Amino acid sequence: AQTVTQSQPEMSVQEAETVTLSCTYDTSESDYYLFWYKQPPSRQMILVIRQEAYKQQNATENRFSVNFQKAAKSFSLKISDSQLGDAAMYFCAYNWAGNQFYFGTGTSLTVIP
Amino acid sequence: DADVTQTPRNRITKTGKRIMLECSQTKGHDRMYWYRQDPGLGLRLIYYSFDVKDINKGEISDGYSVSRQAQAKFSLSLESAIPNQTALYFCATSDWARNIQYFGAGTRLSVL
Repeated sequence: AQTVTQSQPEMSVQEAETVTLSCTYDTSESDYYLFWYKQPPSRQMILVIRQEAYKQQNATENRFSVNFQKAAKSFSLKISDSQLGDAAMYFCAYNWAGNQFYFGTGTSLTVIP
Repeated sequence: DADVTQTPRNRITKTGKRIMLECSQTKGHDRMYWYRQDPGLGLRLIYYSFDVKDINKGEISDGYSVSRQAQAKFSLSLESAIPNQTALYFCATSDWARNIQYFGAGTRLSVL
Protein backbone atom coordinates (compact mmCIF):
# COMPACT_ATOMS: atom_id res chain seq x y z
CA ALA A 1 0.00 0.00 0.00
CA GLN A 2 1.14 3.50 -0.76
CA THR A 3 2.12 5.61 2.23
CA VAL A 4 3.30 9.16 2.54
CA THR A 5 5.35 10.21 5.55
CA GLN A 6 6.07 13.71 6.78
CA SER A 7 8.36 13.35 9.77
CA GLN A 8 8.38 17.02 10.81
CA PRO A 9 5.10 17.95 12.52
CA GLU A 10 6.30 21.53 13.02
CA MET A 11 8.94 23.75 11.48
CA SER A 12 9.85 27.40 11.84
CA VAL A 13 11.83 29.82 9.69
CA GLN A 14 12.92 33.42 9.91
CA GLU A 15 11.37 35.75 7.40
CA ALA A 16 13.51 35.97 4.22
CA GLU A 17 15.35 32.74 5.06
CA THR A 18 15.07 29.33 3.38
CA VAL A 19 13.36 26.28 4.81
CA THR A 20 13.03 22.69 3.59
CA LEU A 21 10.10 20.43 4.39
CA SER A 22 10.64 16.68 4.12
CA CYS A 23 8.45 14.00 2.62
CA THR A 24 9.06 10.33 1.90
CA TYR A 25 6.72 7.87 0.25
CA ASP A 26 6.46 4.20 -0.44
CA THR A 27 5.41 2.79 -3.79
CA SER A 28 6.22 -0.02 -6.18
CA GLU A 29 5.14 2.01 -9.19
CA SER A 30 7.52 3.78 -11.55
CA ASP A 31 5.24 6.44 -13.01
CA TYR A 32 3.31 8.57 -10.54
CA TYR A 33 2.70 12.12 -9.38
CA LEU A 34 3.74 13.98 -6.26
CA PHE A 35 2.30 17.20 -4.88
CA TRP A 36 2.70 19.75 -2.15
CA TYR A 37 -0.44 21.45 -0.92
CA LYS A 38 -0.61 24.46 1.40
CA GLN A 39 -3.39 25.00 3.94
CA PRO A 40 -3.35 28.49 5.45
CA PRO A 41 -5.54 29.41 8.45
CA SER A 42 -8.40 30.02 6.01
CA ARG A 43 -8.34 26.16 5.71
CA GLN A 44 -8.46 26.28 1.91
CA MET A 45 -6.23 23.63 0.28
CA ILE A 46 -3.98 25.25 -2.31
CA LEU A 47 -1.72 23.43 -4.75
CA VAL A 48 1.86 24.63 -4.38
CA ILE A 49 3.77 22.40 -6.76
CA ARG A 50 3.42 19.19 -8.79
CA GLN A 51 6.08 16.70 -9.90
CA GLU A 52 5.76 13.93 -12.47
CA ALA A 53 7.94 10.99 -11.52
CA TYR A 54 9.10 10.29 -15.06
CA LYS A 55 10.61 13.76 -15.24
CA GLN A 56 14.07 13.94 -13.72
CA GLN A 57 14.03 17.73 -13.58
CA ASN A 58 12.86 19.14 -10.28
CA ALA A 59 9.70 21.25 -10.44
CA THR A 60 9.90 24.93 -9.56
CA GLU A 61 7.21 27.55 -8.95
CA ASN A 62 8.64 30.96 -8.12
CA ARG A 63 10.08 30.70 -4.57
CA PHE A 64 9.02 27.07 -4.23
CA SER A 65 11.10 24.19 -5.52
CA VAL A 66 11.37 20.50 -4.87
CA ASN A 67 14.20 18.04 -4.49
CA PHE A 68 12.87 14.84 -6.02
CA GLN A 69 15.00 11.78 -5.30
CA LYS A 70 13.20 8.90 -7.01
CA ALA A 71 15.48 6.10 -5.88
CA ALA A 72 15.30 7.28 -2.30
CA LYS A 73 11.55 7.94 -2.60
CA SER A 74 12.04 11.40 -1.21
CA PHE A 75 10.24 14.60 -2.20
CA SER A 76 11.21 17.67 -0.19
CA LEU A 77 9.89 21.20 -0.61
CA LYS A 78 12.21 24.19 -0.40
CA ILE A 79 10.77 27.61 0.26
CA SER A 80 13.18 30.44 -0.47
CA ASP A 81 12.92 34.01 0.82
CA SER A 82 10.19 32.98 3.26
CA GLN A 83 7.33 35.41 3.71
CA LEU A 84 4.76 35.79 6.45
CA GLY A 85 2.11 34.57 4.05
CA ASP A 86 3.92 31.24 3.76
CA ALA A 87 2.84 30.33 7.29
CA ALA A 88 0.53 27.36 6.87
CA MET A 89 0.15 23.62 7.13
CA TYR A 90 1.88 21.86 4.23
CA PHE A 91 0.79 18.47 2.97
CA CYS A 92 2.71 16.13 0.72
CA ALA A 93 0.58 13.90 -1.53
CA TYR A 94 1.03 10.99 -3.93
CA ASN A 95 -1.09 9.79 -6.84
CA TRP A 96 -0.65 6.92 -9.26
CA ALA A 97 -2.54 6.55 -12.55
CA GLY A 98 -5.30 8.89 -11.47
CA ASN A 99 -6.40 6.62 -8.68
CA GLN A 100 -6.59 7.53 -5.02
CA PHE A 101 -4.52 10.37 -3.63
CA TYR A 102 -2.55 9.66 -0.46
CA PHE A 103 -1.65 12.48 1.89
CA GLY A 104 0.92 12.83 4.61
CA THR A 105 0.04 14.05 8.08
CA GLY A 106 1.28 17.57 7.41
CA THR A 107 3.98 19.98 8.57
CA SER A 108 2.96 23.19 10.30
CA LEU A 109 5.25 26.02 9.19
CA THR A 110 5.67 29.14 11.30
CA VAL A 111 7.36 32.20 9.81
CA ILE A 112 9.06 34.41 12.38
CA PRO A 113 9.18 38.14 11.56
CA ASP B 1 -17.68 31.82 -7.82
CA ALA B 2 -15.75 28.88 -6.43
CA ASP B 3 -15.16 25.95 -8.77
CA VAL B 4 -15.84 23.45 -5.97
CA THR B 5 -18.57 24.50 -3.55
CA GLN B 6 -19.31 22.83 -0.25
CA THR B 7 -22.36 23.47 1.88
CA PRO B 8 -22.65 24.17 4.71
CA ARG B 9 -19.34 25.80 5.76
CA ASN B 10 -19.99 24.98 9.40
CA ARG B 11 -22.46 22.70 11.10
CA ILE B 12 -23.22 21.72 14.66
CA THR B 13 -25.41 18.70 15.22
CA LYS B 14 -26.34 16.25 17.93
CA THR B 15 -25.45 12.61 18.37
CA GLY B 16 -27.78 10.35 16.42
CA LYS B 17 -28.90 12.94 13.91
CA ARG B 18 -28.69 12.36 10.17
CA ILE B 19 -26.70 14.96 8.34
CA MET B 20 -25.79 15.56 4.72
CA LEU B 21 -22.85 17.53 3.40
CA GLU B 22 -23.15 18.67 -0.18
CA CYS B 23 -20.58 19.31 -2.86
CA SER B 24 -21.01 20.73 -6.34
CA GLN B 25 -18.42 21.58 -8.97
CA THR B 26 -18.25 23.57 -12.16
CA LYS B 27 -14.89 22.22 -13.32
CA GLY B 28 -16.39 19.49 -15.47
CA HIS B 29 -14.33 16.79 -13.76
CA ASP B 30 -15.56 13.23 -13.58
CA ARG B 31 -13.64 12.35 -10.43
CA MET B 32 -14.85 13.48 -7.03
CA TYR B 33 -13.69 12.70 -3.49
CA TRP B 34 -14.63 13.14 0.14
CA TYR B 35 -11.95 13.46 2.83
CA ARG B 36 -11.91 14.16 6.51
CA GLN B 37 -9.11 16.05 8.21
CA ASP B 38 -8.21 15.55 11.86
CA PRO B 39 -5.29 17.20 13.67
CA GLY B 40 -2.16 15.09 13.34
CA LEU B 41 -3.77 12.65 10.90
CA GLY B 42 -3.74 14.61 7.67
CA LEU B 43 -6.45 13.98 5.09
CA ARG B 44 -8.05 10.58 4.99
CA LEU B 45 -10.21 9.37 2.13
CA ILE B 46 -13.81 8.47 2.92
CA TYR B 47 -15.29 7.78 -0.54
CA TYR B 48 -14.46 8.54 -4.13
CA SER B 49 -16.28 8.40 -7.45
CA PHE B 50 -14.82 8.27 -10.93
CA ASP B 51 -18.15 8.81 -12.67
CA VAL B 52 -21.86 8.88 -11.88
CA LYS B 53 -22.17 5.09 -11.76
CA ASP B 54 -18.91 4.48 -9.92
CA ILE B 55 -18.66 4.72 -6.12
CA ASN B 56 -15.70 3.39 -4.13
CA LYS B 57 -14.95 3.12 -0.45
CA GLY B 58 -11.88 4.82 0.86
CA GLU B 59 -9.80 4.24 3.95
CA ILE B 60 -12.46 5.24 6.50
CA SER B 61 -15.93 4.70 5.01
CA ASP B 62 -17.62 3.14 8.06
CA GLY B 63 -20.42 5.36 9.33
CA TYR B 64 -20.64 7.30 6.06
CA SER B 65 -22.50 6.97 2.78
CA VAL B 66 -22.39 8.97 -0.45
CA SER B 67 -24.56 9.76 -3.42
CA ARG B 68 -23.40 10.92 -6.84
CA GLN B 69 -26.50 12.63 -8.12
CA ALA B 70 -24.88 14.01 -11.28
CA GLN B 71 -21.44 14.58 -12.67
CA ALA B 72 -21.33 17.85 -10.79
CA LYS B 73 -22.80 16.76 -7.45
CA PHE B 74 -21.44 14.43 -4.78
CA SER B 75 -22.97 14.38 -1.31
CA LEU B 76 -21.76 12.77 1.91
CA SER B 77 -24.18 11.52 4.56
CA LEU B 78 -23.73 10.60 8.17
CA GLU B 79 -26.70 8.37 8.92
CA SER B 80 -26.39 8.62 12.68
CA ALA B 81 -23.75 11.12 13.70
CA ILE B 82 -21.41 10.36 16.60
CA PRO B 83 -18.95 12.68 18.39
CA ASN B 84 -15.83 11.12 16.85
CA GLN B 85 -17.09 12.23 13.45
CA THR B 86 -16.32 15.77 14.53
CA ALA B 87 -13.80 16.92 11.92
CA LEU B 88 -13.13 19.12 8.93
CA TYR B 89 -14.54 17.59 5.75
CA PHE B 90 -13.31 18.33 2.26
CA CYS B 91 -14.74 17.61 -1.13
CA ALA B 92 -12.33 17.51 -4.06
CA THR B 93 -12.34 16.92 -7.79
CA SER B 94 -9.54 15.88 -10.09
CA ASP B 95 -8.79 15.91 -13.77
CA TRP B 96 -7.50 12.70 -15.30
CA ALA B 97 -5.03 14.51 -17.53
CA ARG B 98 -2.91 16.32 -14.95
CA ASN B 99 -4.02 14.42 -11.83
CA ILE B 100 -4.39 17.58 -9.77
CA GLN B 101 -6.95 17.75 -7.00
CA TYR B 102 -9.07 20.85 -6.53
CA PHE B 103 -10.64 21.32 -3.13
CA GLY B 104 -13.72 22.97 -1.77
CA ALA B 105 -13.45 25.32 1.19
CA GLY B 106 -14.29 22.57 3.68
CA THR B 107 -17.12 21.92 6.12
CA ARG B 108 -16.35 22.04 9.80
CA LEU B 109 -18.68 19.58 11.51
CA SER B 110 -19.17 19.31 15.25
CA VAL B 111 -21.19 16.45 16.69
CA LEU B 112 -22.24 17.05 20.29
